[in-house]
Amino acid sequence: QSVLTQPPSVSGAPGQRVTISCTGSSSNIGAGYDVHWYQHLPGTAPKLLIYGNSNRPSGVPDRFSGSKSGTSASLAITGLQAEDEADYYCQSYDSSLSGWVFGGGTKLTVL
Amino acid sequence: QVQLVQSGAEVKKPGASVKVSCKASGYTFTSYYMHWVRQAPGQGLEWMGIINPSGGSTSYAQKFQGRVTMTRDTSTSTVYMELSSLRSEDTAVYYCARAYDSSPSWYFDLWGRGTLVTVSS
Repeated sequence: QSVLTQPPSVSGAPGQRVTISCTGSSSNIGAGYDVHWYQHLPGTAPKLLIYGNSNRPSGVPDRFSGSKSGTSASLAITGLQAEDEADYYCQSYDSSLSGWVFGGGTKLTVL
Repeated sequence: QVQLVQSGAEVKKPGASVKVSCKASGYTFTSYYMHWVRQAPGQGLEWMGIINPSGGSTSYAQKFQGRVTMTRDTSTSTVYMELSSLRSEDTAVYYCARAYDSSPSWYFDLWGRGTLVTVSS
């Protein structure tokens, strides 16, 4: 069971907007640690999508955005495209565990 | 080209050890920390530990303390992760992931493609 909780799956039609939630606790997200998001296609290297809660690395389309509030964070994807179909993971740090933690991952299906 | 190239798939018997390598190229090896993360079949990502390629210091997740050893070879820009006393639950894809800083809020900006380790009798 992952320390950060994500919905197992979300779906949307091309062009639509979807959000993926990431819920933590007072020892991780709620403690002020940043949340980062990764996109992962099976068989490939995970890719950094959002860092520091809401920042996009160079090359990541502005269709992807992140936010954080309290003990939760969210990833929003607008203008869904078929190529967005992948697994998405949130990540933060947990002071109780003294280590980096991930969400269980969310599979995005583009209908 | 900035990349992390990992060693090939391994099949091990329960109780054995496995050593996975991760060779860095395209950047200054000692300027970035390296983490190891694994993903068991159908499961999420799980952090295992971190090594500082500069001095070799390490920090391991409590779950793996006593079973995991992370080392580095600066002459070949390679980090290694050795996991001992393997059991079936260790069957997973093991990733190395780079981080510029060791502070808790830092992120992994470059990942290897993963190494599948299968533990089976």
